[in-house]
Amino acid sequence: GENVEQHPSTLSVQEGDSAVIKCTYSDSASNYFPWYKQELGKGPQLIIDIRSNVGEKKDQRIAVTLNKTAKHFSLHITETQPEDSAVYFCAASRAQAGTALIFGKGTTLSVSS
Amino acid sequence: KAGVTQTPRYLIKTRGQQVTLSCSPISGHRSVSWYQQTPGQGLQFLFEYFSETQRNKGNFPGRFSGRQFSNSRSEMNVSTLELGDSALYLCASSLSEGAAETQYFGPGTRLLVL
Repeated sequence: GENVEQHPSTLSVQEGDSAVIKCTYSDSASNYFPWYKQELGKGPQLIIDIRSNVGEKKDQRIAVTLNKTAKHFSLHITETQPEDSAVYFCAASRAQAGTALIFGKGTTLSVSS
Repeated sequence: KAGVTQTPRYLIKTRGQQVTLSCSPISGHRSVSWYQQTPGQGLQFLFEYFSETQRNKGNFPGRFSGRQFSNSRSEMNVSTLELGDSALYLCASSLSEGAAETQYFGPGTRLLVL
């Protein structure tokens, strides 16, 4: 079945620096890749997603890149702020009924001011 | 628009008991998925319901079950609780079925089994 590996498991940056989180997936048929942010005591919140017909997508300080050949995708956060501190999860799935989101194990991002 | 709501937020049970968790999706959403989140295993898919039918099931024992009502609200039940069932149970709703539909998560129900 599908497997999603996420690295690093923890990431500490200074405010204003960039942060990059990488994920690889095993199912070559996967074509939907969302990223979620989870703050303490809350459920995961979708921050950006990308589909396989797009190589890169950007939303203000957040961007996601996808390399289908290498089966990996990355989350880039620029100009990090203390409120970006949270656990980030990547996920992958096929875009068809009867499939489920497969999540990476998460990255704990700490932004210090 | 109100988000996904889950009740109760916290629950303490003892081994062997059963528990029922409830999820109300975003208004207009017809698909509800359930996930178990633990520190060791991360987020794992339990099942998905769409139009009152289970569309997909994860690799969990039969003690885990669920259902969806005509108003799209969903419940999940865990029977004969084990210590390892202690986890955060998350519900996510989406407009339609399928994992590629944007899923919106609720705050979760934290279950502690003693």
